[in-house]
Amino acid sequence: DAKTTQPPSMDCAEGRAANLPCNHSTISGNEYVYWYRQIHSQGPQYIIHGLKNNETNEMASLIITEDRKSSTLILPHATLRDTAVYYCIVSLPYNQGGKLIFGQGTELSVKP
Amino acid sequence: NAGVTQTPKFRILKIGQSMTLQCAQDMNHNYMYWYRQDPGMGLKLIYYSVGAGITDKGEVPNGYNVSRSTTEDFPLRLELAAPSQTSVYFCASSYSKGLRPDTQYFGPGTRLTVL
Repeated sequence: DAKTTQPPSMDCAEGRAANLPCNHSTISGNEYVYWYRQIHSQGPQYIIHGLKNNETNEMASLIITEDRKSSTLILPHATLRDTAVYYCIVSLPYNQGGKLIFGQGTELSVKP
Repeated sequence: NAGVTQTPKFRILKIGQSMTLQCAQDMNHNYMYWYRQDPGMGLKLIYYSVGAGITDKGEVPNGYNVSRSTTEDFPLRLELAAPSQTSVYFCASSYSKGLRPDTQYFGPGTRLTVL
C-alpha cells in the first residue's frame, strides 16, 4: 500500500503556480520524499526529491513541513506541457530495503 | 547518452506464446527494475536487480522471469502469455549506494496485448 495521500485531480491556469500537496504522516527518519510525473503514455519522469530541507531545481520546488508529515510540490509557472499525473512517493533507498511504490497520484490539468 | 531503451514498443501475443522484452541502459547504473502499469493504475514492480547476476522479486513476479548477465541489460521474459499480462511494461535504472537517494530513470515502455 502506498504510504502517501494525494488528491486525485487538480486544475491550474497556464502561467500560474501549481501547488500539489502530499500527506505522508507515517514517514520515518531516513525515508526520502520523491516526486515523479507521468505524461500520458510515457515513462515516469523524476522531478525532485528531499529528506528534511526544502529543495529546488530547474523543474520544481519541494517544500517539506518541519514534522515531515506532508509536502508540497510547486511548479512555479505551469505550462500546458506540465499536464500529467504526479506521484508523491516516500521510500528508503533501495539498498536499505526501500521500494518505490506508485499510488494513484494527482492528475494535474493545466488549462489555457 | 541514450538513457534507458526498450524494445519492442508494441507487441501482440497469442495466449500461450512467449517473448522477451528487452531493456538496456548506458548510464552505468547498478540497479535496474521492471514495472507494469495497467490502465488507470499506478506502476507495480515485477522484478529488480542490484547488479549483474543478482535479481529479486517485486510485488507481481508470477508469470515472468528475468536475468542480468551484464550491467547494461535486463531482459524480462514472459512464458505462456495470458490475457492478464496485457499491460504497459516499463524498465528503469538507478545508481544506488549507501543512504543516497535513488532517482530512477525510465524507458519509454512496451505496450503488450495478449489475445
